[in-house]
Amino acid sequence: ETGVTQSPTHLIKTRGQQVTLRCSSQSGHNTVSWYQQALGQGPQFIFQYYREEENGRGNFPPRFSGLQFPNYSSELNVNALELDDSALYLCASSFGGTSFFGPGTRLTVL
Amino acid sequence: AQSVSQHNHHVILSEAASLELGCNYSYGGTVNLFWYVQYPGQHLQLLLKYFSGDPLVKGIKGFEAEFIKSKFSFNLRKPSVQWSDTAEYFCAVNFMTTDSWGKLQFGAGTQVVVTP
Repeated sequence: ETGVTQSPTHLIKTRGQQVTLRCSSQSGHNTVSWYQQALGQGPQFIFQYYREEENGRGNFPPRFSGLQFPNYSSELNVNALELDDSALYLCASSFGGTSFFGPGTRLTVL
Repeated sequence: AQSVSQHNHHVILSEAASLELGCNYSYGGTVNLFWYVQYPGQHLQLLLKYFSGDPLVKGIKGFEAEFIKSKFSFNLRKPSVQWSDTAEYFCAVNFMTTDSWGKLQFGAGTQVVVTP
């Protein structure tokens, strides 16, 4: 176990809805990153938060947004869900350049 | 653009066989290199990492990897696999460009199945 927790474990939404995923980082880690892992693929970097500020973004549209809180926990928000958003969403907290991953949230969009 | 490629998508081998998984990246600058493993039903776990120094790095569970800078490669090896090594293995690279610290680019993964 890495100490990174995510909620919920599974989620089913319909197209057009909005979703919020949550992550608690490992104690002492002030950097949190989010990744999307589609079936059969490697994780893809969505964005990173460092001390409550967005610190880099991958090739994802603005309807993917996030927050980091003073306790370094984080949220990923996705608006106007599309079928292709169905994936495993991974949160990683990092220290010294090494990332430690949570168990993920499996999002299914119908 | 930077990229990470893993040579094999699926590998099937018998217990006690040796395992080598290939990983190549395209980038001429400094990189930090990682191998992660995802056992069935479990989260991604760090197997080993390379930042600098000895290019042969040892990780958990008997795995090791060698960084060959001239070949832009970071291949993972294990001399003798066990059934419990059945998992998906991901190579990940942090391309050390401006503001890139801690941001990983993953390969597509290699599914390894070890038969008894």
